[in-house]
Amino acid sequence: NAGVMQNPRHLVRRRGQEARLRCSPMKGHSHVYWYRQLPEEGLKFMVYLQKENIIDESGMPKERFSAEFPKEGPSILRIQQVVRGDSAAYFCASSLGVKADTQYFGPGTRLTVL
Amino acid sequence: AQKITQTQPGMFVQEKEAVTLDCTYDTSDPSYGLFWYKQPSSGEMIFLIYQGSYDQQNATEGRYSLNFQKARKSANLVISASQLGDSAMYFCAMSPPGRSNYKLTFGKGTLLTVNP
Repeated sequence: NAGVMQNPRHLVRRRGQEARLRCSPMKGHSHVYWYRQLPEEGLKFMVYLQKENIIDESGMPKERFSAEFPKEGPSILRIQQVVRGDSAAYFCASSLGVKADTQYFGPGTRLTVL
Repeated sequence: AQKITQTQPGMFVQEKEAVTLDCTYDTSDPSYGLFWYKQPSSGEMIFLIYQGSYDQQNATEGRYSLNFQKARKSANLVISASQLGDSAMYFCAMSPPGRSNYKLTFGKGTLLTVNP
């Protein structure tokens, strides 16, 4: 009965490198959401995906950020050419249906850009 | 646009006492959802309680209750009989109505410290 899993839990990158964050939703969940938490802030919505489809990416920066949720395997949030401002905690949530009260969050990935 | 305000950066409470964490919200939509999440020092986000805008009764979950005052646009979290393990950040969040109801908006949080 595993919950939402994210890896790695901590990721350190130098400026200009790529960061790949992985999220495995709860078993049977096909809706995935990514949120970002900057230091001393609440979480902010980035993107909502279903299997093989991006449904809503209105909260994701237009450049350097991309997300996917393939038919097989985890959802990936990819940040290219990271900058110091990308340092944050990135949370993934999943749901069975599309209702906010059933979003279950993973433990988060803490990205530090040196 | 929706907005959540948590005006208390930090709160202290004695073990076994009750504490209220404030949350006010701003929205022009008549239909919305309100949530509280707990984030312990380990970092995970734990769902605590949910209140729908049309729910007649205040939501309760064990020692957590949500004091929902619609006219004042407030959704305060009440924790009864505080325990040391309640020490954590607490976030109030809101969902819009309709097709985008998955898009939670969070406040900046309140750091609760429970003293022995």
